[in-house]
Order: sequence, then C-alpha cells, then structure tokens
Amino acid sequence: EVQLLESGGDLVQPGGSLRLSCAASGFAFRSYALSWVRQAPGKGLEWVSGISASGLTTYNADSVKGRFTISRDNLKYTVFLQMSSLRVEDTAVYYCAKDLVEAPGRGFESWGQGTLVTVSS
Amino acid sequence: SYVLTQPPSVSVAPGKTATITCGGNNIGRKSVHWYQQKPGQAPVLVIYYDTDRPSGIPERFSGSNSGNTATLTISRVEAGDEADYYCQVWDISSDHYIFGTATTVTVL
Repeated sequence: EVQLLESGGDLVQPGGSLRLSCAASGFAFRSYALSWVRQAPGKGLEWVSGISASGLTTYNADSVKGRFTISRDNLKYTVFLQMSSLRVEDTAVYYCAKDLVEAPGRGFESWGQGTLVTVSS
Repeated sequence: SYVLTQPPSVSVAPGKTATITCGGNNIGRKSVHWYQQKPGQAPVLVIYYDTDRPSGIPERFSGSNSGNTATLTISRVEAGDEADYYCQVWDISSDHYIFGTATTVTVL
C-alpha cells in the first residue's frame, strides 16, 4: 500500500523559513515523480512544486519560484520542500502527491494527509 | 497562463446523473485528471487520462474530453458522492500542473 507521510508544518513568522518532509513507502520510490500541492483555508488546490523520479528536473509554480525548492533523497524515500521568505499567503495545508509515472504530467494517484503551515506574526 | 474553469456548484438528486464540466482552451489536446475531495480529507484520483478509472473507483464515474471542455459524469449519484471535484492538466508550455476552480456537488 502506498503511504505518504508529511511532516514539518509549523507556525512561522513572515520572512521565515521552513522545511517540509514527505516520507514514502509501499512503492518503488525512485521510479516516480512527486509533487507538493497546497490548499489555503477554504480555498482550492494549488500545485506548488514537482520533481522527476531521478531528481534531476524540478518544476515550480510562479507563486513560489525563487523562494521554494523541492528535492528528494532516493535512498531514504523522502521528498522535501524547502520554503524561505514565507508570506502570509503561503498559509495552507501542504500535501505530498505521487505521480503516475516518472515525470510530472500524468496526474496524482496517491496523496498524503497533509501538514499545516501557518505564516503569521 | 492556462486557466481551467469549473462551475462552482452542481446539485443532483440521488439516483440521477451529475455532470461537471472543466473548460480550457483546446483542453481536448491535453490529458485531464479528476479528483474528489471530501471535507477534511486529502483528494482522491477518480479519473485519469481523460477516461481511465483507478482501481477501486466505481464504474459510475466516467470522463470525456473534447474541444474546449472536459466532463466528469457521475451516474446513479449517491449521498457519499457529495464532495468537491477538481479537474487538472499539465500545461506543457509552462511545465506546470493546473487545477480547476473546483465544483461542489450537493446531493439533494
């Protein structure tokens, strides 16, 4: 069974930094792309960042470009989201999601339960 | 940037058919995926590659895609189908995933 377990969500001040982790199990981790998707309170889904199976290619939404960095450790079955220069509008539940194939683009067949990031002074 | 437009809400009686549209410029040339999200839960994939159903998803869920509109159809609607539904595509021009604006399905 595919499992994705996010962690690292917290309350942080504007301008601060935070690193989210997503520990994966139950599938051949190094064969699939992964993404982070967020959902602000009462709002819709917003894709944030994606990374190919190899980790060599990353993709970022315009709203986080230059501030967020996605990475992965294929030995530890973990994907990360390093967030810096955080803004109030980054407040959201952040989900880790597994793509159907090795590169982003084919949809998310599995999701974690999410971790809450709150940016507030 | 590429925009996907969904109706905010759809209401349907039990046993009837719910139709949720997702509009986008030449969306028929893209692969569309659909997600169901119930309150307090993570999204669940219900349709991928326009028409395919993941294992465990009832046959009552079906999809189509042509021209400027993709459609998710839920036949014989049940109370448990009440949820928000999102369409999604990969925009190759920007290398971004794009989500639609969400449709809330209410079972009367």
